[in-house]
Amino acid sequence: AQRVTQPEKLLSVFKGAPVELKCNYSYSGSPELFWYVQYSRQRLQLLLRHISRESIKGFTADLNKGETSFHLKKPFAQEEDSAMYYCALTVTGGGNKLTFGTGTQLKVEL
Amino acid sequence: GAVVSQHPSWVICKSGTSVKIECRSLDFQATTMFWYRQFPKQSLMLMATSNEGSKATYEQGVEKDKFLINHASLTLSTLTVTSAHPEDSSFYICSAADRVSYNEQFFGPGTRLTVL
Repeated sequence: AQRVTQPEKLLSVFKGAPVELKCNYSYSGSPELFWYVQYSRQRLQLLLRHISRESIKGFTADLNKGETSFHLKKPFAQEEDSAMYYCALTVTGGGNKLTFGTGTQLKVEL
Repeated sequence: GAVVSQHPSWVICKSGTSVKIECRSLDFQATTMFWYRQFPKQSLMLMATSNEGSKATYEQGVEKDKFLINHASLTLSTLTVTSAHPEDSSFYICSAADRVSYNEQFFGPGTRLTVL
């Protein structure tokens, strides 16, 4: 079965510093990868998905099939980036079911 | 953008009673809706997949007789927690897949269930 691993429960960075939230997955086929964000007291929302190759709010993520990783990056952290970030994947023929990682709490300090 | 609502946002009930949670897609038709459970400071765990007009598909370990799911229309799915017990207390979140947006899932705000 597929699995998503986010090794860091909490990541604390200073404003203006680079951010990298790690995500690794295990799946023998070609999954579709996503990053979701949950701001305080708000609902979960899609940040980006690898097939669209967009940059949202300055965040990017590249799918590395060799390392089975989909790390989320931003060159300069902003205070408003503080939130819970979840990496997730769907698999072909899986009925669009999302498998979530355990999440990383990003805290951007002034 | 696509909006998903949940009702109620929170509910407190006595042990042994049943509670119904509604999930609605407000501005799009959702052939598939998903129900998740989230424990404090933990990730979302998929409970079941709900397809309009057919029986829900439950994930392993989820009791289908305890968590009744009905998806009667393209905009409404309901989750009924039957004979609730304190261990059923949790945050329940639904999502709805929008075919127009390449099956992107849009999430509801969640329902906090507390069973006394």
